[in-house]
Amino acid sequence: GNSVTQMEGPVTLSEEAFLTINCTYTATGYPSLFWYVQYPGEGLQLLLKATKADDKGSNKGFEATYRKETTSFHLEKGSVQVSDSAVYFCALNRWGGKLIFGQGTELSVKP
Amino acid sequence: DTEVTQTPKHLVMGMTNKKSLKCEQHMGHRAMYWYKQKAKKPPELMFVYSYEKLSINESVPSRFSPECPNSSLLNLHLHALQPEDSALYLCASSQGRWDQPQHFGDGTRLSIL
Repeated sequence: GNSVTQMEGPVTLSEEAFLTINCTYTATGYPSLFWYVQYPGEGLQLLLKATKADDKGSNKGFEATYRKETTSFHLEKGSVQVSDSAVYFCALNRWGGKLIFGQGTELSVKP
Repeated sequence: DTEVTQTPKHLVMGMTNKKSLKCEQHMGHRAMYWYKQKAKKPPELMFVYSYEKLSINESVPSRFSPECPNSSLLNLHLHALQPEDSALYLCASSQGRWDQPQHFGDGTRLSIL
């Protein structure tokens, strides 16, 4: 079946550090891939997406590249801020299916 | 600012009460969703409406009753809930295509006494 695996958290970084959150997936065919972010007390916000192999999604300094050969969609940011502290969810969807989430990775950025 | 609006933001109810959660979107989306989310966990799909018709019910107990009065509105009627139903309830909408993202509201924080 289809599934998404994320690195476990919590991840704690100092401000301006480099961020990588690993995400790998299992799916038949060619899924679309998404990163969502959930700030405390809020719903999920779409951060970025990629719909085919080698696509790079980017938004607010975050990037992720759809790697079909490694079935990965790792989230990166060159310099994190305190305001990036949140829970990050990797997700996939495919034709005829439903949105499948990873377990989430909590990020805490310290000043 | 979220484009999916949910009301109320917080709700406390007893196990014998009847209440409703409301969701509204004005993006012209044809699919709407209800999710349940426990703390620090991913959302769990409950119901999907496509073109105002219920298309997916993920074996949700009958004490949860969804309703889609029109393409912009989605309700979740609650009756005789249990303490384990306390959670964040999220509404989402999308264009309905699998390669398009879902847009989420900020949720209703539900507490069952």
